[in-house]
Amino acid sequence: GQQVMQIPQYQHVQEGEDFTTYCNSSTTLSNIQWYKQRPGGHPVFLIQLVKSGEVKKQKRLTFQFGEAKKNSSLHITATQTTDVGTYFCAGMAAGNKLTFGGGTRVLVKP
Amino acid sequence: SQTIHQWPATLVQPVGSPLSLECTVEGTSNPNLYWYRQAAGRGLQLLFYSVGIGQISSEVPQNLSASRPQDRQFILSSKKLLLSDSGFYLCAWTGGDTSYEQYFGPGTRLTVT
Repeated sequence: GQQVMQIPQYQHVQEGEDFTTYCNSSTTLSNIQWYKQRPGGHPVFLIQLVKSGEVKKQKRLTFQFGEAKKNSSLHITATQTTDVGTYFCAGMAAGNKLTFGGGTRVLVKP
Repeated sequence: SQTIHQWPATLVQPVGSPLSLECTVEGTSNPNLYWYRQAAGRGLQLLFYSVGIGQISSEVPQNLSASRPQDRQFILSSKKLLLSDSGFYLCAWTGGDTSYEQYFGPGTRLTVT
């Protein structure tokens, strides 16, 4: 079945630094979504990418969908303590089912 | 606006006991509904999804079942809980064919002892 892998599993970031988390699918995707889950909370939808090579920005967050529609990345600039949480990518290949990656847990050092 | 409710928020149950978790959505009609389980520090595993009343698709074999008795109600059940059923259970909805982003409820933390 479809698999979605995320790296790294953990990301320790100094406040103010940039980092990137990567997402790779075993199959071509119709769209990819990103979610953020704060500690103790539930996943919250951030963004959806649909087109090959698409790039979207939300303030300090930049999301990219690969040309082959099998990978994606999330880049955060000038990390803040509010960025703490786990970031999940989720790929949709067919139907309305999402396959979630294992997540990147972000810890910010002040 | 749409809201999604789950209860209970936390639950501690002994092995072998039954389970019933409820999820309801307000402010929308004919949503697609999903049940996920998240083990501690892990990703989300899709358990069941439903595109309409009485229509349930199971993603993984287990001792859990789901039902959708009403358009905006989704229930997760078990007749006999196992230790491995412990986890964070999340219900989510989407708007259907043209809206794919999922909106999650607050979740139920289940501990089987």
